[in-house]
Amino acid sequence: NAGVTQTPKFRVLKTGQSMTLLCAQDMNHEYMYWYRQDPGMGLRLIHYSVGEGTTAKGEVPDGYNVSRLKKQNFLLGLESAAPSQTSVYFCASTRSGRQFNSPLHFGNGTRLTVT
Amino acid sequence: AQKITQTQPGMFVQEKEAVTLDCTYDTSDQSYGLFWYKQPSSGEMIFLIYQGSYDEQNATEGRYSLNFQKARKSANLVISASQLGDSAMYFCAMRLPGGTSYGKLTFGQGTILTVHP
Repeated sequence: NAGVTQTPKFRVLKTGQSMTLLCAQDMNHEYMYWYRQDPGMGLRLIHYSVGEGTTAKGEVPDGYNVSRLKKQNFLLGLESAAPSQTSVYFCASTRSGRQFNSPLHFGNGTRLTVT
Repeated sequence: AQKITQTQPGMFVQEKEAVTLDCTYDTSDQSYGLFWYKQPSSGEMIFLIYQGSYDEQNATEGRYSLNFQKARKSANLVISASQLGDSAMYFCAMRLPGGTSYGKLTFGQGTILTVHP
């Protein structure tokens, strides 16, 4: 049972570098999300997708881009990393965005440091 | 906009005792769902329990129960018979109805629980 898999687990970037975080789920979920976790701020939504080929902005989208070319994959890109993007990034998915009791299933997170 | 508030940055409890983690929420919607997640030091997010706004009974899952007080807009997590493995960060989260919500969860700031032997 792989569930939601994130790669890489850790990454250090220099300011201005770019990178892509990959999220893959094997549960045939329609809805996928990218959150970032910062101390004292809980988890904040960056972008989300309600199906293959669709994406939308969340609460803190600036500096990030996403793509959902395949249903099972949701990519998060940083085009020009900044120290403010140092954070732990979580991908999540859910079977139904319209069913209240459908929990989000999370990956194990990616710890990103931008120096 | 909806908001979740967890006012306890840290909580301590003795092993085998019960502990309550507070969560208050703010929304004008009548329909919503409330979730609790556990994040151990290893970092993963583990779903614990769910309460729907129209559920008449408080949710329970093993040693976890939810003290849901709709009029006060609170959804406190109660952990009975605490174990050392319960030491973790706990997050309260809310989901609003379908449509523009698209299943998104809004999270509180989290509470770090430490269980002492």
